[in-house]
Amino acid sequence: SQQGEEDPQALSIQEGENATMNCSYKTSINNLQWYRQNSGRGLVHLILIRSNEREKHSGRLRVTLDTSKKSSSLLITASRAADTASYFCATSISGNTGKLIFGQGTTLQVKP
Amino acid sequence: DAGVTQSPTHLIKTRGQQVTLRCSPKSGHDTVSWYQQALGQGPQFIFQYYEEEERQRGNFPDRFSGHQFPNYSSELNVNALLLGDSALYLCASSLVFANEKLFFGSGTQLSVL
Repeated sequence: SQQGEEDPQALSIQEGENATMNCSYKTSINNLQWYRQNSGRGLVHLILIRSNEREKHSGRLRVTLDTSKKSSSLLITASRAADTASYFCATSISGNTGKLIFGQGTTLQVKP
Repeated sequence: DAGVTQSPTHLIKTRGQQVTLRCSPKSGHDTVSWYQQALGQGPQFIFQYYEEEERQRGNFPDRFSGHQFPNYSSELNVNALLLGDSALYLCASSLVFANEKLFFGSGTQLSVL
């Protein structure tokens, strides 16, 4: 079963705009990660935020985590056509990140 | 430095057959995890191998089995294939005690007819 629920399921924006995706989860976590997947192939890790962190930045990415609400958001600023992909949040609920529980993903389309 | 490699890329089987998928982890990694991703869904954890043993298992039937070799590479075997086994099978590697991100291969697309 999926732990995470992502919102929205699909998002279409123009190049240069910001994209925000949200993720909710059900159980206590050690960390939460975001991955990108292009055209149904392998996933690429974007960013990891630990349960004791509230915000993290990496380039054009900003991730927030609210453990009291069991939710996270991923913000992509100044989006580019190359950002078009599916984005998944994944939670680690044990000390071993080998077992991640993924959400169903948000499909982002960035129009040039 | 090679990343995670999976073979084959695509595979077509018929119901009832058996299939073996292969994975070589990223250099230096000792842990391999397998995920199944149905069309339009997020990946679902199948199992994880470390030190040639299955360490964790998701909610998958015994038809799904695996193996890890001394060189850390891994195989996923699925017996008695069902139509519902059609999916993208992803292999991911990591260091067991690093508690960090997973590195994924490009996957094997399995179609069961």
